Amino acid sequence: AQSVTQLGSHVSVSEGALVLLRCNYSSSVPPYLFWYVQYPNQGLQLLLKYTTGATLVKGINGFEAEFKKSETSFHLTKPSAHMSDAAEYFCAVSETGNQFYFGTGTSLTVIP
Amino acid sequence: GAGVSQSPRYKVAKRGQDVALRCDPISGHVSLFWYQQALGQGPEFLTYFQNEAQLDKSGLPSDRFFAERPEGSVSTLKIQRTQQEDSAVYLCASSPLLAGDYNEQFFGPGTRLTVL
Repeated sequence: AQSVTQLGSHVSVSEGALVLLRCNYSSSVPPYLFWYVQYPNQGLQLLLKYTTGATLVKGINGFEAEFKKSETSFHLTKPSAHMSDAAEYFCAVSETGNQFYFGTGTSLTVIP
Repeated sequence: GAGVSQSPRYKVAKRGQDVALRCDPISGHVSLFWYQQALGQGPEFLTYFQNEAQLDKSGLPSDRFFAERPEGSVSTLKIQRTQQEDSAVYLCASSPLLAGDYNEQFFGPGTRLTVL
């Protein structure tokens, strides 16, 4: 069965500090992994995805994530937080490309 | 071009009423997905279509939920005899290619349903 665990429902960082949002998954087959961002009253927007190939994936807005099979993790990072990064972030896993299983989300607050 | 649109954006229903939620996918997108997002939770898969065919409806929580996409474009999610536990944001997403090709799902802004 597929599932996603996001540790920390709320994360606060200072502007300019490192952003680290954690995601662990379970999957019976090699998964496809995604990070989405959701701004208030807007739809989900894809930040990045891992399908095959390089395990370090770069996305939009300076975000990146590394697929670590041994740790079943896909943590999202950004070297320097910006005020505009404040949003809800969701990690998702899919084995089939049809059903996406989302985590419960992490709300990121950026402190000026 | 225009993204995925959903209407209405907000819907308040009395318990027991039927509601219909509309999704207009990006033009030409083959696959369409519906998700339910309860407060404080991540989206949960409900159903998906490939053109007009509903290929998976395993996520629909009860037989009160019904989705259709008769012409392979616009889709409607209908909830009959709404209950308070149906209160959630209903998200629609579309994808340009066949599901399984791991293409990006483009999400609409959602419809927030509140059942009183």
